[in-house]
Amino acid sequence: QKEVEQNSGPLSVPEGAIASLNCTYSDRGSQSFFWYRQYSGKSPELIMFIYSNGDKEDGRFTAQLNKASQYVSLLIRDSQPSDSATYLCAVRSNFGNEKLTFGTGTRLTIIP
Amino acid sequence: GAVVSQHPSWVICKSGTSVKIECRSLDFQATTMFWYRQFPKQSLMLMATSNEGSKATYEQGVEKDKFLINHASLTLSTLTVTSAHPEDSSFYICSARRTSRSSGANVLTFGAGSRLTVL
Repeated sequence: QKEVEQNSGPLSVPEGAIASLNCTYSDRGSQSFFWYRQYSGKSPELIMFIYSNGDKEDGRFTAQLNKASQYVSLLIRDSQPSDSATYLCAVRSNFGNEKLTFGTGTRLTIIP
Repeated sequence: GAVVSQHPSWVICKSGTSVKIECRSLDFQATTMFWYRQFPKQSLMLMATSNEGSKATYEQGVEKDKFLINHASLTLSTLTVTSAHPEDSSFYICSARRTSRSSGANVLTFGAGSRLTVL
């Protein structure tokens, strides 16, 4: 079982709709969860992170965390063509360990 | 904002040669940097943790004698791929740990990556 799992996609969403990206993780002791966006041929850029159960909103992005279900998601409201990219979920096991384990990413395409 | 500069952005070399990749934190000090490798359509795989002033910590399966890491200052870490072979062709990405000014949390800032092609 992979430590961090994501559906590779591609996920196609009409412009203006909500894109929902999902991620599950196997280490129940994981503490921190990150969403990165990666454009083709570029390095990842941080979108947001979440530590606590529940929702965290930042502009058009909302991260949702459910530690009991070992599930974290990212919602993108009012999707724009510029949101088309691969979204990587990353998990950190504990606060003292800075290593991130990445999922394989979900490729998102926003259709104009 | 925090910037991590990585150089070169791409390099093509002959099999058997060595290639050095530099990673610099431009506006903050980074005692810890991380080196990742990403093959096409795959995720980032951590190769090693680079610590300023001490030896790097390598992940299981990563040859330390092949991938030499030097973290000589608080703003510079280098990765040298020694005796490169075609199977070493990949996208190498460094990242530096910093403290977010807005949240106080430790986050990683990535360099732009270096695409290595070994002929």
